[in-house]
Amino acid sequence: AQTVTQSQPEMSVQEAETVTLSCTYDTSESNYYLFWYKQPPSRQMILVIRQEAYKQQNATENRFSVNFQKAAKSFSLKISDSQLGDTAMYFCAFMKHQIQGAQKLVFGQGTRLTINP
Amino acid sequence: DAGVTQSPTHLIKTRGQQVTLRCSPKSGHDTVSWYQQALGQGPQFIFQYYEEEERQRGNFPDRFSGHQFPNYSSELNVNALLLGDSALYLCASSLGRLEGSPLHFGNGTRLTVT
Repeated sequence: AQTVTQSQPEMSVQEAETVTLSCTYDTSESNYYLFWYKQPPSRQMILVIRQEAYKQQNATENRFSVNFQKAAKSFSLKISDSQLGDTAMYFCAFMKHQIQGAQKLVFGQGTRLTINP
Repeated sequence: DAGVTQSPTHLIKTRGQQVTLRCSPKSGHDTVSWYQQALGQGPQFIFQYYEEEERQRGNFPDRFSGHQFPNYSSELNVNALLLGDSALYLCASSLGRLEGSPLHFGNGTRLTVT
């Protein structure tokens, strides 16, 4: 079974600073997908970024980028120029690659990120 | 383009009762998954429906059941409610044939069991 670990329960930074959220995972699979989701107080889980394990290039989406280290099973999220709207719970999630199989996400426990003005 | 919609937003039930939660997937999506999120925790996978069949099930008792309709919408039913069933229930939709398809989530239904 796969497990996802987020070792930082809470983080707090000043607006415009850069912050990095950590995530490690455990799997025996060689092909899989990794995601970061944010969950603001509105409760909706919003996709931030997606990484395919067979791609060496790190995914980026505007101010959000990842550092994917497959051998170390590490998948950290960097938020540049942080904004007040980035305040949320951030979840790292793992999805096994399955042909015609279920798209099941395994989530970490989350990191509560607060951006201070 | 409508996203994932869930109803109701909030629900209060008594132990032993039964509850039905509803979900309409994002336009163009054909697969629906349900997750349970306890306070302060990450979501836990309940099950996923594709082509009106349960594709995979997580570690939840048979009291949790579901259904997917021909229009891809879905229901989650929980029987014999326990206090421990109090949680946020999230519905997510995706493209069933696309490997690694990202899941798009609704705003959830907050269920309180008293």
